[in-house]
Amino acid sequence: GENVEQHPSTLSVQEGDSAVIKCTYSDSASNYFPWYKQELGKRPQLIIDIRSNVGEKKDQRIAVTLNKTAKHFSLHITETQPEDSAVYFCAASIGADSWGKLQFGAGTQVVVTP
Amino acid sequence: EPEVTQTPSHQVTQMGQEVILRCVPISNHLYFYWYRQILGQKVEFLVSFYNNEISEKSEIFDDQFSVERPDGSNFTLKIRSTKLEDSAMYFCASSEVGLRNTEAFFGQGTRLTVV
Repeated sequence: GENVEQHPSTLSVQEGDSAVIKCTYSDSASNYFPWYKQELGKRPQLIIDIRSNVGEKKDQRIAVTLNKTAKHFSLHITETQPEDSAVYFCAASIGADSWGKLQFGAGTQVVVTP
Repeated sequence: EPEVTQTPSHQVTQMGQEVILRCVPISNHLYFYWYRQILGQKVEFLVSFYNNEISEKSEIFDDQFSVERPDGSNFTLKIRSTKLEDSAMYFCASSEVGLRNTEAFFGQGTRLTVV
């Protein structure tokens, strides 16, 4: 069935360094790829998303790249800060006709050390 | 900023009992969803709902589960005859239109513990 793989499961970075999280997906019909940040005990919050008609999108220190041929997409966080520490989830829409079904990755625990 | 709100934040129930989890989606949103996250596992899609009917559902969403929009603001998930393995965090989400054109916003979750 459809699957989204996310790596790494944990990522420890020094403040100021960059963090990269990678995801692969299996459904060639997927066309929407959001990233969510979840702090402990809080709701998943959308931080950035990309749709299949673009290859890269940037919002301040956060960027997402998409390679549809290879079926992978990545989250890049530059100049990391302690408040970036959280669990990050990638997701992919499932099915060409899907209006709301997201398949999530397993999550990456990011720890930014001062 | 408008938010999806869920009640209760934590629900403890005995095995075999029925529970209703409640959600108030963002007011101008038309699509509603339920997801769940078993501790230490992925967030899993359960069901999507539009125009007062189920749009899609996963294999998890069997006859034990049902959803309803009882009035103009609430969206509920009912779990009948709860089992231990139903223990999870249940997230409600909503979007203005389908995900082809907009994003989904999540509630803070209801932690369901079945004992």
